[in-house]
Amino acid sequence: AQSVAQPEDQVNVAEGNPLTVKCTYSVSGNPYLFWYVQYPNRGLQFLLKYITGDNLVKGSYGFEAEFNKSQTSFHLKKPSALVSDSALYFCAVRDIRGNNRLAFGKGNQVVVIP
Amino acid sequence: KAGVTQTPRYLIKTRGQQVTLSCSPISGHRSVSWYQQTPGQGLQFLFEYFSETQRNKGNFPGRFSGRQFSNSRSEMNVSTLELGDSALYLCASSDRTGANTGELFFGEGSRLTVL
Repeated sequence: AQSVAQPEDQVNVAEGNPLTVKCTYSVSGNPYLFWYVQYPNRGLQFLLKYITGDNLVKGSYGFEAEFNKSQTSFHLKKPSALVSDSALYFCAVRDIRGNNRLAFGKGNQVVVIP
Repeated sequence: KAGVTQTPRYLIKTRGQQVTLSCSPISGHRSVSWYQQTPGQGLQFLFEYFSETQRNKGNFPGRFSGRQFSNSRSEMNVSTLELGDSALYLCASSDRTGANTGELFFGEGSRLTVL
């Protein structure tokens, strides 16, 4: 089955420092990978996706992610974190059983310290 | 363009009751998916509807059901509620085209508490 793993529960980073949120995947076939963000008491918001093409994917709010096939990773990155980036981040992979059926990781709480 | 609207936002029920949650997708989106979010299990896929037909169903018991209307609005129903059904229920819509596969637009959710 398609799955993703987010090894860290929480990521703390100082404002202005680079932010990295880790994700590894396990899939059969070509992976369709996604990052979503959830702010308190809100639904999820789409950040970016990798389907094919360049390994470096650029998304919303200055985020980008690097697809690494050899390491089966899809880490989310931002060069300079903002306090407003504090939120819950989910990595997801498309399930082979359906286009809009996503398997989500457990989520990473990101805390940006002023 | 209005986003995905879910009602009600909060509700409290007791064990054994049933509940119906509603979701209005973004205008023009014909696919509606439902997810359950709990602290213990995280985000889990419930089902997806497209053009009034259920296209996919997750691993949930038959107490969980849904439907979609001709205007793409969707409802989900949970019967004989259990304490473990307490969760945030998220609805997501998409246009389901190949290029946008997996790119979901979520509502703010309906938070169900079962006492």
